[in-house]
Amino acid sequence: GENVEQHPSTLSVQEGDSAVIKCTYSDSASNYFPWYKQELGKGPQLIIDIRSNVGEKKDQRIAVTLNKTAKHFSLHITETQPEDSAVYFCAAPGNTPLVFGKGTRLSVIA
Amino acid sequence: GAGVSQSPRYKVAKRGQDVALRCDPISGHVSLFWYQQALGQGPEFLTYFQNEAQLDKSGLPSDRFFAERPEGSVSTLKIQRTQQEDSAVYLCASSFMTGGDTGELFFGEGSRLTVL
Repeated sequence: GENVEQHPSTLSVQEGDSAVIKCTYSDSASNYFPWYKQELGKGPQLIIDIRSNVGEKKDQRIAVTLNKTAKHFSLHITETQPEDSAVYFCAAPGNTPLVFGKGTRLSVIA
Repeated sequence: GAGVSQSPRYKVAKRGQDVALRCDPISGHVSLFWYQQALGQGPEFLTYFQNEAQLDKSGLPSDRFFAERPEGSVSTLKIQRTQQEDSAVYLCASSFMTGGDTGELFFGEGSRLTVL
């Protein structure tokens, strides 16, 4: 089945700096790669996703890149703000619906 | 309601007790998923329904775990004879997608189970 590895597990950045979170996956048949943001006491919420027919997708300060050959995808957040502080999860579809990474706790320091 | 609703939000059970966790998905969403999230970990898949049919229960950790969605809307996750290792947040998610394409999952806020 699908195996998703996510790095780093924690990340601290100064407000205004960029943050990058990376994930690798094992199943070359996977074709959909979402990123979820989870705030304390809440359920995860989709922030951006990418399908395998494109290499990059942007939405304001957030972007996701995909390298299908290397089987990795990354989340990029530019001009970070304190409200970006949360836990971020990558995911990929396996034989069962969505397999999630272990998460990255992002802290944006004002 | 506007989103996925889960109840209870918090449940404390003594070891050996049975618990039932309820999920009310977004109206019209065909697919419903249960995930288990241990402290500091990512969500782990438990089971998946398409309408009332349970299409995948491969993630259920033991036969003490049982889920149902009898009318294709509200779902209940039942845990019998709870053990301390069952302590976790149980997340329910729904999606309007069917088949192999999950699309966006809309998560509830979860039910935090603590087994003493």
